[in-house]
Amino acid sequence: DGGITQSPKYLFRKEGQNVTLSCEQNLNHDAMYWYRQDPGQGLRLIYYSQIVNDFQKGDIAEGYSVSREKKESFPLTVTSAQKNPTAFYLCASSLGRSGANVLTFGAGSRLTVL
Amino acid sequence: DQQVKQNSPSLSVQEGRISILNCDYTNSMFDYFLWYKKYPAEGPTFLISISSIKDKNEDGRFTVFLNKSAKHLSLHIVPSQPGDSAVYFCAASGMYSGGGADGLTFGKGTHLIIQP
Repeated sequence: DGGITQSPKYLFRKEGQNVTLSCEQNLNHDAMYWYRQDPGQGLRLIYYSQIVNDFQKGDIAEGYSVSREKKESFPLTVTSAQKNPTAFYLCASSLGRSGANVLTFGAGSRLTVL
Repeated sequence: DQQVKQNSPSLSVQEGRISILNCDYTNSMFDYFLWYKKYPAEGPTFLISISSIKDKNEDGRFTVFLNKSAKHLSLHIVPSQPGDSAVYFCAASGMYSGGGADGLTFGKGTHLIIQP
């Protein structure tokens, strides 16, 4: 079955540590995205990538970094510079063409800073 | 500044009745709108969408209405079922303005509760 796999499902981090969240898709989608969800805040865009080896900052990119070395993979690193990293992180992908752009989401990763 | 607004954080509806979820937007460049459904600790799943060239789109029990002049859209669920209890997100993108592929702008969501 085609889909998006995020790992780990739950992650705990001590303050000052960097952590990397994995996102893999087998949908042959060109575009990939990272969103963050906080209670009562909806989904906010962190980074997106429309093509391999290229990515763009979203609305809340500070304290995060990404890479896109393969079409299937778009890992997100939450750095120690992110002041409030505790959140639910969602990865998504789409065909990425202009026009009707429907995003398919993974199951999410919950990061908790101790 | 919120570009997509869902002003009702929660909505309670009796099973079998109609659920109406509302969404307003401010960016006139948005021309493609989507509704997603989300259960706790899961990713959102796509429900239905509408482009600005239409004012209505139906898919089974779900209908989305778009009023461009009012910058308002609504999702109707008829009849409401217990499995519809979830958080519903309205999202928007600019289809012809280089957007779409650069992500969707989401509202804060409405928690729909279907009561037996």
